[in-house]
Amino acid sequence: QKEVEQDPGPLSVPEGAIVSLNCTYSNSAFQYFMWYRQYSRKGPELLMYTYSSGNKEDGRFTAQVDKSSKYISLFIRDSQPSDSATYLCAMRGISGSARQLTFGSGTQLTVLP
Amino acid sequence: DTGVSQNPRHKITKRGQNVTFRCDPISEHNRLYWYRQTLGQGPEFLTYFQNEAQLEKSRLLSDRFSAERPKGSFSTLEIQRTEQGDSAMYLCASSLDSASGANVLTFGAGSRLTVL
Repeated sequence: QKEVEQDPGPLSVPEGAIVSLNCTYSNSAFQYFMWYRQYSRKGPELLMYTYSSGNKEDGRFTAQVDKSSKYISLFIRDSQPSDSATYLCAMRGISGSARQLTFGSGTQLTVLP
Repeated sequence: DTGVSQNPRHKITKRGQNVTFRCDPISEHNRLYWYRQTLGQGPEFLTYFQNEAQLEKSRLLSDRFSAERPKGSFSTLEIQRTEQGDSAMYLCASSLDSASGANVLTFGAGSRLTVL
């Protein structure tokens, strides 16, 4: 079983929809939680990061972390065709085997105009 | 500064040949990472440098792989005697060691390797 599991998708939504992307993890040492966006044939770019549990909002994007359930989410409001990409969750701890960033397998999102 | 730069963007080689990828990190970043990403998967950690010191290597990094970061600036990743299973996107990332502990990685566009 992988340390980080991500809903694989693909996900297709109409423009303006609210999108929910999710990951679960098994390593309780993870403390930093990130969402990256990756366009085709490009490297991942950081969207948001949070430390420990809680919510963080940035424009149309909201990241949620529930450490008690080992579950993180990214919500995209008023989705746009330009949001079409693969979304990767990633997480790390501060020591030991959790020190390096561990990624989910990614969810491919298509927003239809 | 235009971010993390990787070259070449795409390399096609025959099985058994050696290949080398180069990464130029963001200039003020002291940490440099190599990741590998295969189709439909997330990036997997290979190795990382703090300045010129290679501090950690994943068990994914077989003996045919070697990475260097002379003088703590650019880095190279060499794969010797390539195999078809080495076909992947090789991603370089850099970060600045900070007191906040977040250590956010900035990735390059990647170098895609195709082994025939």
